[in-house]
Amino acid sequence: NAGVTQTPKFQVLKTGQSMTLQCAQDMNHEYMSWYRQDPGMGLRLIHYSVGAGITDQGEVPNGYNVSRSTTEDFPLRLLSAAPSQTSVYFCASGGASGANVLTFGAGSRLTVL
Amino acid sequence: DQQVKQNSPSLSVQEGRISILNCDYTNSMFDYFLWYKKYPAEGPTFLISISSIKDKNEDGRFTVFLNKSAKHLSLHIVPSQPGDSAVYFCAARWGNRDDKIIFGKGTRLHILP
Repeated sequence: NAGVTQTPKFQVLKTGQSMTLQCAQDMNHEYMSWYRQDPGMGLRLIHYSVGAGITDQGEVPNGYNVSRSTTEDFPLRLLSAAPSQTSVYFCASGGASGANVLTFGAGSRLTVL
Repeated sequence: DQQVKQNSPSLSVQEGRISILNCDYTNSMFDYFLWYKKYPAEGPTFLISISSIKDKNEDGRFTVFLNKSAKHLSLHIVPSQPGDSAVYFCAARWGNRDDKIIFGKGTRLHILP
């Protein structure tokens, strides 16, 4: 049982480059989300999805796109990376709304030069 | 406006003693509170939670206390062990929605030998 798998674990980008952070879960969870963690800022919600075909914005969505074509996968796209997007990104999934507990991936550390 | 506040960035406790981590919140709509634990280079993992209709929840060495009138909750770890050294995030949810989970900035707990 792998839980939530994120790839890559580390990535260095130049300003303006694009990339996709992958997230996959094998728990058949409907809810998936992306957070970023910055020093002194805690975890902030970027985008979330309550099921395949449904996505919505969180607290800090600017500069990021998401899609949810399957229950299992929830990729996060950076179309034109900026240094302000240097952060550690966590994908999380949860059961039906109200399940309360999120399962997090191990994180993806992104550096934008 | 920070809705979930962890005012102590770090805390050091002697092994075997009690660790008390505090969390304050401002939104009276929060109906569920959670604590997550995070080791370096790993994702946060769920530790313990409490519903707003309760004032205490216990799970082994971990107890969470909720004081709704003061909008304050605390996590007690007794006795503290070396493996408890980690960052602890307080989180609060409202509206029975996983996307409405707000995290605090975290408290780094150091257990001293």
